[in-house]
Amino acid sequence: DGGITQSPKYLFRKEGQNVTLSCEQNLNHDAMYWYRQDPGQGLRLIYYSQIVNDFQKGDIAEGYSVSREKKESFPLTVTSAQKNPTAFYLCASSIDGGSTDTQYFGPGTRLTVL
Amino acid sequence: QKEVEQNSGPLSVPEGAIASLNCTYSDRGSQSFFWYRQYSGKSPELIMSIYSNGDKEDGRFTAQLNKASQYVSLLIRDSQPSDSATYLCAVMAGRRALTFGSGTRLQVQP
Repeated sequence: DGGITQSPKYLFRKEGQNVTLSCEQNLNHDAMYWYRQDPGQGLRLIYYSQIVNDFQKGDIAEGYSVSREKKESFPLTVTSAQKNPTAFYLCASSIDGGSTDTQYFGPGTRLTVL
Repeated sequence: QKEVEQNSGPLSVPEGAIASLNCTYSDRGSQSFFWYRQYSGKSPELIMSIYSNGDKEDGRFTAQLNKASQYVSLLIRDSQPSDSATYLCAVMAGRRALTFGSGTRLQVQP
């Protein structure tokens, strides 16, 4: 059963904590992405990666970090430097990140800061 | 000026009517255009993609692109209550990642 999985579905963070959101895909896609969505807003790009061991900052990378050690996995760490992390986090993947490539989304992780 | 603009709505249409959703974008170098549907609390799902000027039809959905006017639209024929959702317009320009509008909320009244 192919697809994109994200875990956990819900995550609660205390002030000052780092948390890591998981994203895994078995679609054999080269490109992976992280977006953040705030209520009533569109998606904003945090980081993206088109190949293993390489990634680029998006529009709102401050306070976040990523790694891409395996093709299938693109975890996102929300650090304590991110002052307002409560949001819906969406991971996506696409075949190769080309200009006509279609991105498919995982089910998302809802992060709440306590 | 936002890079991708959509009317936030809600756009309310009666069941069976045509819903027309509009999107404008600022980057003339944009190459690919996508419409996603997002139900409340869920992740976006792809409805249509369009890459060249003109119309593209898929079932009850038609995407229209006019690059000269920097305008892309989505028409939904025979609207159903199950079409009630937020519709996100997304554009790919130079970088290899999408820029999204803030979405239009569609309400189809039974």
